[in-house]
Amino acid sequence: EVQLLESGGGFVQPGGSLRLSCTASGFTLSSYDMHWVRQAAGKGLEWVAGIGIAGDIYYVDSVKGRFTISRERAKNSLYLQMNSLRVGDTALYYCTRVYSNGFDIWGQGIMVTVS
Amino acid sequence: QSVLTQPPSVSAAPGQKVTISCSGSSSNIGNNYVSWYQHVPGTAPKLLIYENNKRPSGIPDRMSGAKSGTSATLGITGLQTGDEADYYCLAWDNSLSEALFGGGTKLTVL
Repeated sequence: EVQLLESGGGFVQPGGSLRLSCTASGFTLSSYDMHWVRQAAGKGLEWVAGIGIAGDIYYVDSVKGRFTISRERAKNSLYLQMNSLRVGDTALYYCTRVYSNGFDIWGQGIMVTVS
Repeated sequence: QSVLTQPPSVSAAPGQKVTISCSGSSSNIGNNYVSWYQHVPGTAPKLLIYENNKRPSGIPDRMSGAKSGTSATLGITGLQTGDEADYYCLAWDNSLSEALFGGGTKLTVL
């Protein structure tokens, strides 16, 4: 079964760091563009970062210089290193796969609380 | 305020039809594909429409997508109570080099 499973969330103080992981099963993660999306309580979905098959990387302006997206082929995993965390980064974070210009597979989400 | 504009809410009776609009600009919808997602907060979003008007396997033909110029529309016919959720459009923005979600539309099936 094709699945994504996030881990690494938790509670951190402002200015702290967390590293989210997203492990794929049922497909080769490095063969797809992959993204992180978040949703703060009571807010809409917000795209955070993406990494293309060729290694091209993009970030939403609010996380540039603080977050780093990466992947590890050997572990079939996607990562989001989050530094200098702010209260406004508190959200449920999802990893998601791109297929034919749509986000077709999503993880169940992992909570990050900055307080 | 989102760059892609959606109505905050829509409602209709069971069995009826509803449309949800998504308005953008030439830097996003006008020159890129639009996809649509159904989301119940706290659960994983579900892809309903990709590449403007295509349905993934398993999505019923009650769901449809269309794009014209800098706007896109999601249509849902034969509304069911199970369709109650938040719906989002998504498009890449060439000027920002970011993916953009619309603000989301809450569908209520009365």
